[in-house]
Amino acid sequence: AQTVTQSQPEMSVQEAETVTLSCTYDTSENNYYLFWYKQPPSRQMILVIRQEAYKQQNATENRFSVNFQKAAKSFSLKISDSQLGDTAMYFCASGGATNKLIFGTGTLLAVQP
Amino acid sequence: DTEVTQTPKHLVMGMTNKKSLKCEQHMGHRAMYWYKQKAKKPPELMFVYSYEKLSINESVPSRFSPECPNSSLLNLHLHALQPEDSALYLCASSRTSGTAQVAQYFGPGTRLLVL
Repeated sequence: AQTVTQSQPEMSVQEAETVTLSCTYDTSENNYYLFWYKQPPSRQMILVIRQEAYKQQNATENRFSVNFQKAAKSFSLKISDSQLGDTAMYFCASGGATNKLIFGTGTLLAVQP
Repeated sequence: DTEVTQTPKHLVMGMTNKKSLKCEQHMGHRAMYWYKQKAKKPPELMFVYSYEKLSINESVPSRFSPECPNSSLLNLHLHALQPEDSALYLCASSRTSGTAQVAQYFGPGTRLLVL
């Protein structure tokens, strides 16, 4: 069975600073994807970034990057130059051979002005 | 275009009502999903359709009835709901993959209140 753990229920960061959200996972599958989703308050859940497990290079999307440590089963999200619009619930998720995403419990990030 | 649309945005219904939620995507995705989400919790998978056939039912009560009329549309029929069914109902779609999950794209959701 797959599990995803986010150990930080809430985090806060000052505008323009950098913040890292933690995620660990466990899976028995050899081929899987990892994702970070962002859900702003009362707004749509959107895909922030994805990582294919067989790729060693860490994924990057503008101010968002991941630190993928496959052996440690760790998949953290770094947000650089934090903006007020980054305030949201962030969910880490993994997906394997079935059409199912396994979500972590989420980290509520508040960006302070 | 990674747009999934859902109607209505908000729905209030009594426990004896029958209503339907609708979801549409035009990305050519052949997998579509219904999730239930409570406040500050991750989405809980309810149903998965793959190539218009129900492939996963996560032991959802029969008062929720999914339907996939074609590859672009997904409905969720609601009947005799309970107050604890009040939640945000999310639709998502994705490409299908034979080997590993690819990204799911979510709609804005229908916020349901059962009185």
